[in-house]
Amino acid sequence: KNQVEQSPQSLIILEGKNCTLQCNYTVSPFSNLRWYKQDTGRGPVSLTIMTFSENTKSNGRYTATLDADTKQSSLHITASQLSDSASYICVVTPGSGGYNKLIFGAGTRLAVHP
Amino acid sequence: NAGVTQTPKFQVLKTGQSMTLQCAQDMNHNSMYWYRQDPGMGLRLIYYSASEGTTDKGEVPNGYNVSRLNKREFSLRLESAAPSQTSVYFCASGGGPYNEQFFGPGTRLTVL
Repeated sequence: KNQVEQSPQSLIILEGKNCTLQCNYTVSPFSNLRWYKQDTGRGPVSLTIMTFSENTKSNGRYTATLDADTKQSSLHITASQLSDSASYICVVTPGSGGYNKLIFGAGTRLAVHP
Repeated sequence: NAGVTQTPKFQVLKTGQSMTLQCAQDMNHNSMYWYRQDPGMGLRLIYYSASEGTTDKGEVPNGYNVSRLNKREFSLRLESAAPSQTSVYFCASGGGPYNEQFFGPGTRLTVL
């Protein structure tokens, strides 16, 4: 069964610290992997999209990595800010005509404290 | 550009009542989607429309109907609401080489 699992479920860090969020997936075949940020009460917003041939992509203080062999991805946040408090969602696009049927992880809820 | 807009933002229904959630996008995307988000779970696809004039079932279509009114608008209808349909509903539109999806602000629905 195609699944996306994220860890940890929740995380608390102090402002200015770094953190890494994990995503493991069992989707096969696989087309691309996305990370979304979802602020409380808002819709998800795309941070990065990586194809199976890419192993890293950055968006400001956010850096996503992908290991297609082990089916793992991580999202690293550098020098966290209070505004980084949100849920971060890993999303995988199946490769067999699945562009319309994304598979979403349950998300990691990050709280950045001053 | 407003992106993806949804109305209403909040709604409370009684079991058995009906309602329509409205969604519109101004990005000229062909694809539009309806998802529901429940606590502790990933977003689940209810219905999608790959292009104007077509609609297809997603993972959890039971109890819902959709209409792709034109390229901009995609509505979701609950004919007879049930408490199990209490959720946050997101509309999205997709475009570009990876069909990147852009989400609306959501509708928080409670069915009593």
